[in-house]
Amino acid sequence: DQQVKQNSPSLSVQEGRISILNCDYTNSMFDYFLWYKKYPAEGPTFLISISSIKDKNEDGRFTVFLNKSAKHLSLHIVPSQPGDSAVYFCAANSNFNKFYFGSGTKLNVKP
Amino acid sequence: DTGVSQDPRHKITKRGQNVTFRCDPISEHNRLYWYRQTLGQGPEFLTYFQNEAQLEKSRLLSDRFSAERPKGSFSTLEIQRTEQGDSAMYLCASSLGRTTDEKLFFGSGTQLSVL
Repeated sequence: DQQVKQNSPSLSVQEGRISILNCDYTNSMFDYFLWYKKYPAEGPTFLISISSIKDKNEDGRFTVFLNKSAKHLSLHIVPSQPGDSAVYFCAANSNFNKFYFGSGTKLNVKP
Repeated sequence: DTGVSQDPRHKITKRGQNVTFRCDPISEHNRLYWYRQTLGQGPEFLTYFQNEAQLEKSRLLSDRFSAERPKGSFSTLEIQRTEQGDSAMYLCASSLGRTTDEKLFFGSGTQLSVL
């Protein structure tokens, strides 16, 4: 029962260019979404979140876009840096309950 | 704020043995979650607590798994009669437990290998 899906297991971009990571969800009750970043042998760390009452949230180089009608969200990283190379997970929840996570996208930013 | 602490970082055990993991959440956090992650997958929900009350337990969690959070502070996750399929990273996370701007803060995880 995969309610949050990240269909691209990996993404490679050149340093300085834009990275776009995508996430789709099936549960229309989801009203809060987050992105996490994970380095090997570490726990995920919070990046950015968005509530369903918004369609965009920005924090420095990171912007999350939410398209509720398409049940789709994306994370934009501009400009991408080699230190951004990690696995990125999207997560969602509804009504203050548990969080569902996608399977992750491994981002490689090439110098 | 010392972050979420998990112990041990690594555990190797033989099939059939019992193991117990500990999680110390951020001190003011009311909610505590356990997730499991295998290679190439995202964190999979196991169970979570609001203070000392266990609010939900995943259907995927067999009776061999039990979690406690006495006094609403640290939590333990016990796996009895371990199986090779239990090999995974066990992640603990905590949060303030509020309706807006909720974030999970994760520990570094316990990597379990069942031989």
